[in-house]
Amino acid sequence: ETGVTQTPRHLVMGMTNKKSLKCEQHLGHNAMYWYKQSAKKPLELMFVYSLEERVENNSVPSRFSPECPNSSHLFLHLHTLQPEDSALYLCASSQDQGALLGYTFGSGTRLTVV
Amino acid sequence: AQKVTQAQTEISVVEKEDVTLDCVYETRDTTYYLFWYKQPPSGELVFLIRRNSFDEQNEISGRYSWNFQKSTSSFNFTITASQVVDSAVYFCALSVTGGFKTIFGAGTRLFVKA
Repeated sequence: ETGVTQTPRHLVMGMTNKKSLKCEQHLGHNAMYWYKQSAKKPLELMFVYSLEERVENNSVPSRFSPECPNSSHLFLHLHTLQPEDSALYLCASSQDQGALLGYTFGSGTRLTVV
Repeated sequence: AQKVTQAQTEISVVEKEDVTLDCVYETRDTTYYLFWYKQPPSGELVFLIRRNSFDEQNEISGRYSWNFQKSTSSFNFTITASQVVDSAVYFCALSVTGGFKTIFGAGTRLFVKA
């Protein structure tokens, strides 16, 4: 499979639940990213991993916890979320950690917190 | 600091019309990269083009063309003979060397009516 694959595509969770978003790329890219896209707001960078090391944590609340076990996989663990966390969560990868060559994005996980 | 402004929030055209999406950027770096991405209703941002700051040549790819003008800090995108499948949100973005962030504009939603 090529490109960036995200699962699940849709997720509804209660505020007390714990869930995880998964992202997988087989492009041989060295960097992976989590972005949040809320209605009426610009794309927000959440986390950057380069060669499996976290290099950026953009003031994201601790209820979001990323994990990068290897260069092909990235997770976003969610717990005790708030309704305002409902958004489209996009994973991306790039050949270089500065994404100067551009991103390859997944289709996103549409998260609804109830 | 870097900034990308897409002043047009929404544009609506009729099929076969030409449409130009505006992008104005701000950066003090002399080396930078500009991008356009397309986000169809499926959610995935699709890479369209990348331009570096030293290459002001305009580019044409099928019905798509891009006009990069450093003098006005603009990187505009024109779709010729628009089609319904062009309906999407289009994002302009800026990356600079040495950083981990790509700065995205707020996006322009394009509606192409049959």
